[in-house]
Parts: sequence; C-alpha cells; structure tokens
Amino acid sequence: GENVEQHPSTLSVQEGDSAVIKCTYSDSASNYFPWYKQELGKGPQLIIDIRSNVGEKKDQRIAVTLNKTAKHFSLHITETQPEDSAVYFCAASFMEYGNKLVFGAGTILRVKS
Amino acid sequence: DAGITQSPRYKITETGRQVTLMCHQTWSHSYMFWYRQDLGHGLRLIYYSAAADITDKGEVPDGYVVSRSKTENFPLTLESATRSQTSVYFCASSEAGTGVQHFGDGTRLSIL
Repeated sequence: GENVEQHPSTLSVQEGDSAVIKCTYSDSASNYFPWYKQELGKGPQLIIDIRSNVGEKKDQRIAVTLNKTAKHFSLHITETQPEDSAVYFCAASFMEYGNKLVFGAGTILRVKS
Repeated sequence: DAGITQSPRYKITETGRQVTLMCHQTWSHSYMFWYRQDLGHGLRLIYYSAAADITDKGEVPDGYVVSRSKTENFPLTLESATRSQTSVYFCASSEAGTGVQHFGDGTRLSIL
C-alpha cells in the first residue's frame, strides 16, 4: 500500500522568511496530493492540493510542487506570518481507489516574530 | 449550520467499557472516514464508508466497529476499550470524486 514520508518533523522560521515542507510517496499510481493545516484544538483543513497532471500550483503565499518521476511533492510558504504557525500534513491518494488519503506524520511549523 | 460535527469533544472512560463516538454531516457527502491521531503517526485511517450500508477497513481497524445506516451519520464504537486506544479521533466526509476531505474538530478520548 501507499506510504508517505514527511520532513522535517519540526520547522522554526523567522517571520517573513520562507518555509518548505517535503513529502515522498511510494505508490506511483497516486494521482492526488493535498496539504492540510491543523490549528490547535481543531481538525485539519485543506489549504491546497495538486493533481498528477500538474507540476505546480499557487494560491497567494502558498505553493505546491510535484515531481512524479522522483515521487515527491513539497509545500512552499512565502512571507511567513505568525498565523501560519500550525501542524501541516501532506497526503497522497489514488482517486480510483475511492477518496482514501494516506497522510504523512506531520510538520510542526513555528513562525517567530 | 452546515458542516461536520463530532460528539462528545472529550471523553474519559475505563478499560473494558464500550464507548461510541458520534459523527454527523449535513452535506450529504457519500464518503465518511474515521481517523485516529497520535504523536509521530499523523492521521491513521480506522474505517471508511463509501455510502450508507457500505463500510470497509482502513489501516488500523482492530478493536473498532462502525455502522452507517444513514448517509449523514457514521458512529465509531470501541467495543471493549483498551489504553492503547487513548487518542484523538477525527471524523471526515468527502464528496465522491473530489478527494477533498472535511474534518470535524475531533474527540479526545482517554482510557484509564
């Protein structure tokens, strides 16, 4: 089955700097890669996703890149702000298997002001 | 209000007891999921359901039972709770074909 590894487990950046979180997946059939943000005491919330026919996707300060050959994808947050502090999860899925997601272990991002 | 709600938010129980966690969604999403979240493991899928009366095991199903008699409800039961089932449990729902999962705010379960 699919296995998703996520690095780093914790990341501390200065406000205004960029943050990058990386994930690798094992199943070459996976074709959907979402990123979720989880704030304290809340459930995860989708922030951006990418499908395998696209190499990069941006939404304001957030971008995701996908390298299908290497089976890895990354989340990039530019101009970080204190409210970006949270736990971030990557996930992978083969949509034809139904809507199941396999999640990485998570990255705790701390933005220092 | 539309959304997905979990109850209770917090629960303390003893080993050997049966406990049921509730999940309700108002979107009529066909898919529903139960995850447990433990430090260092991220979110692990316990059970999922593609529609009413259709359920299937996820990665860590042992010790759990689910049912889905109505599209909007997906209860998770621990038939005889063990300390290893102390965790935060999240329910999610998803519209078929989208991949996007919408999560509740979780149930923090402690088993003494």
